[in-house]
Amino acid sequence: LAKTTQPISMDSYEGQEVNITCSHNNIATNDYITWYQQFPSQGPRFIIQGYKTKVTNEVASLFIPADRKSSTLSLPRVSLSDTAVYYCLVGGGATNKLIFGTGTLLAVQP
Amino acid sequence: NAGVTQTPKFQVLKTGQSMTLQCAQDMNHNSMYWYRQDPGMGLRLIYYSASEGTTDKGEVPNGYNVSRLNKREFSLRLESAAPSQTSVYFCASSALSFGGTGANVLTFGAGSRLTVL
Repeated sequence: LAKTTQPISMDSYEGQEVNITCSHNNIATNDYITWYQQFPSQGPRFIIQGYKTKVTNEVASLFIPADRKSSTLSLPRVSLSDTAVYYCLVGGGATNKLIFGTGTLLAVQP
Repeated sequence: NAGVTQTPKFQVLKTGQSMTLQCAQDMNHNSMYWYRQDPGMGLRLIYYSASEGTTDKGEVPNGYNVSRLNKREFSLRLESAAPSQTSVYFCASSALSFGGTGANVLTFGAGSRLTVL
C-alpha cells in the first residue's frame, strides 16, 4: 500500500497561490493520485485526480512528475473559504484498500 | 440524487451497549467503506467492501463488525461500545469494483457522530 506524507499545516493569505506537496515513494503502477478537501464537521469531498503529468479543473491543478513519487496540489488565489484539511490519497491499483494520510491543514488569513 | 446517506447523524451510547450505523448509496457503486475520525485527527479505515458479498478489515477493525447487505447498503455494528469508540464515523462509496484498477474516487456521507459514555 502506498503510504503518503504531507506537511501537517500551512499558512497563506487571501489571493496567494498555495502548493501542497505529497510524497508517495511506493506508489504502484496502476495507482491514481486523488486529493480531497475536508471542512470541519463534514465528510471529505473530491477535488482533483491524476495519473501522470498535469491535470487542471475549475478549482485546482495537480502536478505529477515523471517518477510519480510525489504530487503537488496547486490552489490558485486562495480565499478564506479554502481553509480546510487537504488529503492526498493514492490507490486504485492493486487493492481497493484506501488508507488516508494525516492531511494538511491549510489556514488562509485575510 | 442523495449520494451516500448515513443514519443516525448523532447517537449517545452507554458503555457496553450495542448499535448499528447504517449507510446506503444510490450511485450503483461497487465498493463501500467505513472510516472513523477522532477529534483533530485524520481518517482511519475500519472496514471496506470491494464488492457485494465481500468485506475486508482496514486499519482499525477491532470492536466492529460489518455487513454488506446488498449493493446499496453497508452497515457497521458496535457489539459492546467503549468510550474509545467515541468518534465521527464516515461511510464512503466508490465505483471501482473488486479487483478492478483505475480511478477510484470516493464519495462520502455526512457522517455519524457517536459518543460513548
